Amino acid sequence: DAEITQSPRHKITETGRQVTLACHQTWNHNNMFWYRQDLGHGLRLIHYSYGVQDTNKGEVSDGYSVSRSNTEDLPLTLESAASSQTSVYFCASSESGGGARNEQFFGPGTRLTVL
Amino acid sequence: DQQVKQNSPSLSVQEGRISILNCDYTNSMFDYFLWYKKYPAEGPTFLISISSIKDKNEDGRFTVFLNKSAKHLSLHIVPSQPGDSAVYFCAASVRGGSEKLVFGKGTKLTVNP
Repeated sequence: DAEITQSPRHKITETGRQVTLACHQTWNHNNMFWYRQDLGHGLRLIHYSYGVQDTNKGEVSDGYSVSRSNTEDLPLTLESAASSQTSVYFCASSESGGGARNEQFFGPGTRLTVL
Repeated sequence: DQQVKQNSPSLSVQEGRISILNCDYTNSMFDYFLWYKKYPAEGPTFLISISSIKDKNEDGRFTVFLNKSAKHLSLHIVPSQPGDSAVYFCAASVRGGSEKLVFGKGTKLTVNP
């Protein structure tokens, strides 16, 4: 069965360190998204991609970067982790092509703690 | 500027009764709306959706109502079950547009046995 996975599921790091969160999907979806979930804020979009070599900033992109070298993966990098980036991170994917339902399929999440 | 609003952070209902979760939006360009359900330590999962050309969509115990003039939608769960206890997110998009979803902050539903 197709799926979307995230690793690691839990991560503790220190302020200033570079951290990369992995996202891998086997749906063969062109669209991939990264969100963070914080209490009182719901799901906020960090970065997204509509295909290989395409990346776009979301509403809370400062301090984060992504790269898309293949269809299956969209890793999220925190260049220099800050305590404000302690959060739960979700990756999602969806079909492309306009007229689609825009339904996104989510991974299980990564809980990141920055000390 | 929050384009999708869920003004009730939490809702508690008795098993067997109706749960009504509300969502308001401000962007008149939104034409497709989705509800997601999220259990602790899991990712959100799609529940039900509705296109702006409809005012109601039903799937088993779940019904979504859309009032375009009021820019308001609601999710009805009848009858509510303890397994429905979760956080529910409302989301909106512009089909044929950027294909992004804009999410509300979520409502935590607790169904008491």
